[in-house]
Amino acid sequence: KNEVEQSPQNLTAQEGEFITINCSYSVGISALHWLQQHPGGGIVSLFMLSSGKKKHGRLIATINIQEKHSSLHITASHPRDSAVYICAVLNTDKLIFGTGTRLQVFP
Amino acid sequence: KAGVTQTPRYLIKTRGQQVTLSCSPISGHRSVSWYQQTPGQGLQFLFEYFSETQRNKGNFPGRFSGRQFSNSRSEMNVSTLELGDSALYLCASRRSTDTQYFGPGTRLTVL
Repeated sequence: KNEVEQSPQNLTAQEGEFITINCSYSVGISALHWLQQHPGGGIVSLFMLSSGKKKHGRLIATINIQEKHSSLHITASHPRDSAVYICAVLNTDKLIFGTGTRLQVFP
Repeated sequence: KAGVTQTPRYLIKTRGQQVTLSCSPISGHRSVSWYQQTPGQGLQFLFEYFSETQRNKGNFPGRFSGRQFSNSRSEMNVSTLELGDSALYLCASRRSTDTQYFGPGTRLTVL
């Protein structure tokens, strides 16, 4: 069993839909990252959080430390949100990555 | 502020050769981490350098090594290349406990 599990693996949506990507982990962590990777490989760090909730534009990330679970929400999705979203947890100063969620948003 | 840069962006090598990849962090960032991304294994942590010292290491064989210079630039070296080393190699820099900023990656193909 992977230490970081993401669901779903693939997600398609129509423009404007509300999207949720989930991440569960089984190790102790000091922080959790949500990353976005576009075709071509470049990775952008969207959020780093250790408790509660963060919001940036249409993106919202939440974490529940007791349940070892985090969610990434995208409100009013847009085709430019199409990318792979990766959850990564910081465990003993090392990042452990989930396998990613491939999101496609159609106009 | 310039972002993290990696050179070269693409590289083709043959089995048995060695390769050196370079990473220049964001100015002021003293920590540089390296990651390998493959279709089969996903993203995996290789190692982290801070102030010229290796602070952390992932589960990779000794063929994978790295170093960091006094200007925080970092190199990673892979010796005796194997087909399975074909991957996207990413580096990321950060100030201390801040978020990491990723470079564009070096895509290595081993033939």
